Amino acid sequence: GAVVSQHPSWVICKSGTSVKIECRSLDFQATTMFWYRQFPKQSLMLMATSNEGSKATYEQGVEKDKFLINHASLTLSTLTVTSAHPEDSSFYICSARVTSGGENIQYFGAGTRLSVL
Amino acid sequence: DAKTTQPPSMDCAEGRAANLPCNHSTISGNEYVYWYRQIHSQGPQYIIHGLKNNETNEMASLIITEDRKSSTLILPHATLRDTAVYYCIVSQIYNFNKFYFGSGTKLNVKP
Repeated sequence: GAVVSQHPSWVICKSGTSVKIECRSLDFQATTMFWYRQFPKQSLMLMATSNEGSKATYEQGVEKDKFLINHASLTLSTLTVTSAHPEDSSFYICSARVTSGGENIQYFGAGTRLSVL
Repeated sequence: DAKTTQPPSMDCAEGRAANLPCNHSTISGNEYVYWYRQIHSQGPQYIIHGLKNNETNEMASLIITEDRKSSTLILPHATLRDTAVYYCIVSQIYNFNKFYFGSGTKLNVKP
């Protein structure tokens, strides 16, 4: 399957600072990428849909000014958690959509564990 | 919101077939059924997907009922490495294929 790389895999930051997470599709171009977050022992929650060259669309209840998404190229989407606070500590996962023969498959990165002190 | 219902956990003996059910009674005609699994602290891994026909690949088989209201993922010979949370997702192809994850099934493969 297609490979999605996510960086960093683990980050610790101080409260009030911003953190950027990168999501790259390594062997394919992705016009659409997705960002999820997952709290311990819970399922993945879709945060936003990232479309190359246009503004991201956010799910209800997700603050767009808090979670900045940039999809500047067909292989890179970034999520910036601005002014992070301890309640933002979570596992953030991205995915990239592959379209082939009219069917779509999402391939996921390995995730980024964010700890805000 | 997730449109699927799965049992929270299942056990399976190593070497035996694991049959994981999923109920998606409100599925619409343009929605596919996808199966992914997540091993602890990793990103989900794609397994298989289908629209209405049964599908098979090197990892698993997907059986979709004729009315499409439920499906079963079959791992033919489960190994200890198949221990994971398995998610069944229905997704509309025309809405960017957004995924809304449910709670999934924790499959415990035992020696």
